[in-house]
Amino acid sequence: DIQMTQSPSSVSASVGDRVAITCRASQDIGGWLAWYQQKPGKAPRLLIYAASSLQSGVPSRFSGSGSGTDFTLTISSLQPEDFATYYCQQANTFPHTFGGGTQVEIK
Amino acid sequence: QLVQSGAEVKKPGESLKISCKSSGYSFTNFWIGWVRQKPGKGLEWMGIIHPGDTDTRYSPSFQGQVTISADKSISSAYLQWSSLKASDTAMYYCARKPPHYYYDSNGNPRDAYDIWGQGTMVTVSS
Repeated sequence: DIQMTQSPSSVSASVGDRVAITCRASQDIGGWLAWYQQKPGKAPRLLIYAASSLQSGVPSRFSGSGSGTDFTLTISSLQPEDFATYYCQQANTFPHTFGGGTQVEIK
Repeated sequence: QLVQSGAEVKKPGESLKISCKSSGYSFTNFWIGWVRQKPGKGLEWMGIIHPGDTDTRYSPSFQGQVTISADKSISSAYLQWSSLKASDTAMYYCARKPPHYYYDSNGNPRDAYDIWGQGTMVTVSS
């Protein structure tokens, strides 16, 4: 299985801050990476697919970059509704493994 | 959208089948995956089925522990257990995934889980 490692596991930030979350794959996955946001008690929501493509309806302050084994999700200016947990997932090879998650908390 | 069956409370050793009903798109053209989330923990990919040809793949962690199936006549996918354990207590989500060849207007493959069910909470306790 391809292992996905996210860092940090949690981050404290203030409204307006720029936040970056990284995800590393244990082997080359090309651009087959997605990012999801999950709020407590809710299902995950797709934010980014193909490493850098913004899902319809997702605010442009979210962006994704990277290819191969190293990827980044960036929130350019954190908003109150962005406090949540974020997961990366590789879709290159079954099983489509997730990273361990990054909790974005209010500072 | 994907609508999942309601919460379940079961005893260890009992069997269970939960469902995920799709609407608003061609059920047989997209994969349906299942994801587990234990209380307070992260997301775990369990497996996936293509309802069009019943191609099914499992994570090694779940192979032999669960069965994934689909009934295209009623646009529904299923996750079932033959003998539940307390460690199966979790929220289970179904999610739709386009096929590899499904591209957006910029030529990027839309290969991600884009529509999710609301989740089914399964509690296994004696």
